[in-house]
Amino acid sequence: QKEVEQNSGPLSVPEGAIASLNCTYSDRGSQSFFWYRQYSGKSPELIMSIYSNGDKEDGRFTAQLNKASQYVSLLIRDSQPSDSATYLCAVNKGFSGGYNKLIFGAGTRLAVHP
Amino acid sequence: SAVISQKPSRDICQRGTSLTIQCQVDSQVTMMFWYRQQPGQSLTLIATANQGSEATYESGFVIDKFPISRPNLTFSTLTVSNMSPEDSSIYLCSVIGQGGAGELFFGEGSRLTVL
Repeated sequence: QKEVEQNSGPLSVPEGAIASLNCTYSDRGSQSFFWYRQYSGKSPELIMSIYSNGDKEDGRFTAQLNKASQYVSLLIRDSQPSDSATYLCAVNKGFSGGYNKLIFGAGTRLAVHP
Repeated sequence: SAVISQKPSRDICQRGTSLTIQCQVDSQVTMMFWYRQQPGQSLTLIATANQGSEATYESGFVIDKFPISRPNLTFSTLTVSNMSPEDSSIYLCSVIGQGGAGELFFGEGSRLTVL
């Protein structure tokens, strides 16, 4: 079992729709969770972070965390063609003085078509 | 977030040679992280580099193959030694952000192609 699992996609949505991206993780001790966006040929860019159960909204993005189910999701409202990218889920297994380790999922490719 | 600069941005290398990638940060940071992203794959942590101590390598990565230097709080290098085509990847330098939960910010990456 992979530590962080994502559906590789591609997930294809029409412009203006809601894109829903999902991620599960195996380590119950994981403390913080992140979504990165990676355009082709570019490095990953942090778009959302979440630490507590529930929803966290930032503009068109909403991250959802359910620690009991070991599940993280990202919703993108009013999807735009510029949102077309690979979305990486990352889980921090521990963050304290002198230690920090992010484990990344394989990523979900999102394609938003006009 | 910190500004992270990597050099070279890309290179084409011959099998058996070594290449050193440089990472410069515009602020002092305790930990720097080196990741590898093979074609079509996600990111894999190679090692964590702390200033003043030996780098900590992840399972599957060894110092002889990926020696790392960390001479000060703003700079690190990663060398890919005795390269083979399997080393063709993007190598990414990263540092922890200010959010307090261990989020990482990445440099632009160094894309290596080994022939």
